Amino acid sequence: DTGVSQDPRHKITKRGQNVTFRCDPISEHNRLYWYRQTLGQGPEFLTYFQNEAQLEKSRLLSDRFSAERPKGSFSTLEIQRTEQGDSAMYLCASSLMGESSYNEQFFGPGTRLTVL
Amino acid sequence: LAKTTQPISMDSYEGQEVNITCSHNNIATNDYITWYQQFPSQGPRFIIQGYKTKVTNEVASLFIPADRKSSTLSLPRVSLSDTAVYYCLVGFTGGGNKLTFGTGTQLKVEL
Repeated sequence: DTGVSQDPRHKITKRGQNVTFRCDPISEHNRLYWYRQTLGQGPEFLTYFQNEAQLEKSRLLSDRFSAERPKGSFSTLEIQRTEQGDSAMYLCASSLMGESSYNEQFFGPGTRLTVL
Repeated sequence: LAKTTQPISMDSYEGQEVNITCSHNNIATNDYITWYQQFPSQGPRFIIQGYKTKVTNEVASLFIPADRKSSTLSLPRVSLSDTAVYYCLVGFTGGGNKLTFGTGTQLKVEL
């Protein structure tokens, strides 16, 4: 399977704990995005990378959230001191930045986080 | 990014054609219209994208009138497996910009 993969698929944690999620994009894709989705809502943008550079972060992204893409391949999203409001599906997507005005993003299956 | 308005839900039966209309009155000149589909517990999946007139692929058709203030996603002969949430997005996707999703349209297909 050469699609976007995410690990773990499910995570249950207690409030105050730190969690880290991993995303492996499609191998030749240079752009990687993180989104968060709560029940009944569409995905909400969090941040994105071009290669290893983090180019944009949502203002909604608390300083408890940090993302990295150290070698321009996989990415990690860490949430420190989790709160119940962090419970959501965390989606990763990747795309190939090119000259075309068209930019299809390919999404992974998501990591569902439950904070107790 | 242009705000979009689409129905919260729609119901249909297998074999019927389904048309989901999205309003985007303040669409900008360089904005594209893109539709994504999402099944429960999965990430969204790209369906179709267009700028003007009509676009057709193996899955759907997208109709965009001349003023581009609305668009219609057409799904021919739906089946139970088309039950999903459909999102209409408007924005300039060049340069790998982030996607801005609304709440989408929940399509339910029954026998």
